[in-house]
Amino acid sequence: DVVMTQSPLSLAVTLGQPASISCSSSQSLVHSDGNTYLNWFQQRPGQSPRRLIYKVSSRDFGVPDRFSGSGSGTDFTLKISRVEAEDVGIYYCMQATHWPHYNFGQGTKLEIK
Amino acid sequence: QVQLQQSGPGLVKPSQTLSLTCAISGDSVSSNSVAWNWIRQSPSRGLEWLGRTYYRSKWYNDYAVSVKSRIAVNPDASKNQFSLQLNSVTPEDTAVYYCARDPGYSLDPWGQGTLVTVSS
Repeated sequence: DVVMTQSPLSLAVTLGQPASISCSSSQSLVHSDGNTYLNWFQQRPGQSPRRLIYKVSSRDFGVPDRFSGSGSGTDFTLKISRVEAEDVGIYYCMQATHWPHYNFGQGTKLEIK
Repeated sequence: QVQLQQSGPGLVKPSQTLSLTCAISGDSVSSNSVAWNWIRQSPSRGLEWLGRTYYRSKWYNDYAVSVKSRIAVNPDASKNQFSLQLNSVTPEDTAVYYCARDPGYSLDPWGQGTLVTVSS
């Protein structure tokens, strides 16, 4: 199985300041079709996970442009350019390249300082 | 807009079978381009993908190794829904269970989640 490792596991950020979450995989996430199927999800308190980003950097409709994804191979990053109160929650990366099994990171808890 | 509505009991006795259903609106369980998944979340295991069903001229399933001997994910085309059955449950199967659509190497959207507690 592919192991996904996130860091940090918790993050306290001042409103309006940037935040960055790293995700690394134990194997390359480059698919044989040339795409890299790395997803980011946000889970707000008491809610189901919601997809923010797919294929490393493609933002979902309705996701604010302060969220961005980057990376390649085995190392990926989710950045929030200016944290807002509604961004509080847990963020997960997930690999889908090594189908049929999907693997999640441990999650990074974002709080407001 | 695709929506998933989960249903099923929140309490299951040890050694019995956990059964949940996910009703689909805005898409078809028989679609040739998506798959239908179950995922669970617990403090000890985090988010864990469990299995999926999908139709590509015939029905297919994939299951996580950790539950492969105990799990079944089945479609019900007549009701446009799919189900999860997990046999021989133990307290370690206590978790929030989610269904989710896979539009292709991703999971979106997710159902509302069902907390299932395994206890006598």
